[in-house]
Amino acid sequence: KAGVTQTPRYLIKTRGQQVTLSCSPISGHRSVSWYQQTPGQGLQFLFEYFSETQRNKGNFPGRFSGRQFSNSRSEMNVSTLELGDSALYLCASWDRDYTGELFFGEGSRLTVL
Amino acid sequence: KQEVTQIPAALSVPEGENLVLNCSFTDSAIYNLQWFRQDPGKGLTSLLLIQSSQREQTSGRLNASLDKSSGRSTLYIAASQPGDSATYLCAVRGGEKLIFGSGTRLLVRP
Repeated sequence: KAGVTQTPRYLIKTRGQQVTLSCSPISGHRSVSWYQQTPGQGLQFLFEYFSETQRNKGNFPGRFSGRQFSNSRSEMNVSTLELGDSALYLCASWDRDYTGELFFGEGSRLTVL
Repeated sequence: KQEVTQIPAALSVPEGENLVLNCSFTDSAIYNLQWFRQDPGKGLTSLLLIQSSQREQTSGRLNASLDKSSGRSTLYIAASQPGDSATYLCAVRGGEKLIFGSGTRLLVRP
């Protein structure tokens, strides 16, 4: 069965623009979470969704937002981009509450110029 | 607040060596612990998941153990190969969030 799919894989934006990233979970998985990975900060939790409801949010400014659709696909949006938003954004999905194995996508590499 | 630490940050070994990667966590109230591998510029690949009620899990040349009382997990890699070169991360699910360690960068020299 297909894994977690993230699009786009690479994108370049300029400061002040906004970006939307998409994540399609493994079929049957209803939970999705997003992470930001940078060389300096490592992997940082952004948000988690289950059945279209945001269950948790990390310590990121309000410029970072997300949502989940009824088919479990998820999107995250970053508005008013800053240079520091350059990172690898990773999405993960799993099939059980808190005990399930997480499967990650290949990520979306965002570069902000 | 859960904190996850991985030591060493980097490790270089000759091919064929057996090695152990360490992961420690501060709060023993966890649901599970998962080990991942990450190749440069790629996503994370799940290696092993250990539930809180389990002591170890094995997959091929990999064996992961969990000692909740001491807040430690180890990932044992037998007969290492150059293809094992990657960054290895552990992550602890201690409630609502998954907390990652900073990883161990492994280089297996031919």
